Amino acid sequence: VTLLEQNPRWRLVPRGQAVNLRCILKNSQYPWMSWYQQDLQKQLQWLFTLRSPGDKEVKSLPGADYLATRVTDTELRLQVANMSQGRTLYCTCSATWAGNSGNTLYFGEGSRLIVV
Amino acid sequence: TQTVSQSDAHVTVFEGDSVELRCNYSYGGSIYLSWYIQHHGHGLQFLLKYYSGNPVVQGVNGFEAEFSKSDSSFHLRKASVHWSDSAVYFCAVSANNNNAPRFGAGTKLSVKP
Repeated sequence: VTLLEQNPRWRLVPRGQAVNLRCILKNSQYPWMSWYQQDLQKQLQWLFTLRSPGDKEVKSLPGADYLATRVTDTELRLQVANMSQGRTLYCTCSATWAGNSGNTLYFGEGSRLIVV
Repeated sequence: TQTVSQSDAHVTVFEGDSVELRCNYSYGGSIYLSWYIQHHGHGLQFLLKYYSGNPVVQGVNGFEAEFSKSDSSFHLRKASVHWSDSAVYFCAVSANNNNAPRFGAGTKLSVKP
């Protein structure tokens, strides 16, 4: 059963252009939604966890700037800007905050971004 | 802050062989340890988890992992691998410190026919 739907699945991103990603939660039993980035070496890094509609956060990492928004109980968005190297962004969900409960993370299929 | 390391970037075995993928962690308090599998072009999928109790935990598809506090390890094992087990395997650690789960660098398992 698919818990998360991510789109687009992949995108060619001209250098300097921003891209917007969406993640739709299919099961309300896992309301804690997060974004992880996976670099070209497969290293995973947590970016954000946004629980409530209206939550917003920004973060700058080597190679990209991020703005995450929890739009509704079922939709999470991510804007990726100033990307210098390709990466894949994964949306995850869990029943409670996985940071202090060890709850299982469920991953979407990812949005692969390629810089051109 | 908890840390996790996977010392083997790539492991190659033949179908039917046993395999052990290594994971070591560092944290002074209570932790949750997990293993995930990532097939090429897909997101990660949960395999198994340990928090307390029996140090050997069983997962899906014949995988098991053993927790060792003395070695600070949580190695993943399978007695007889299949070609479909070829994937990247990630060890993850969570702690009761409000930090997001941390993932190891991953071990790519290649199973030859």
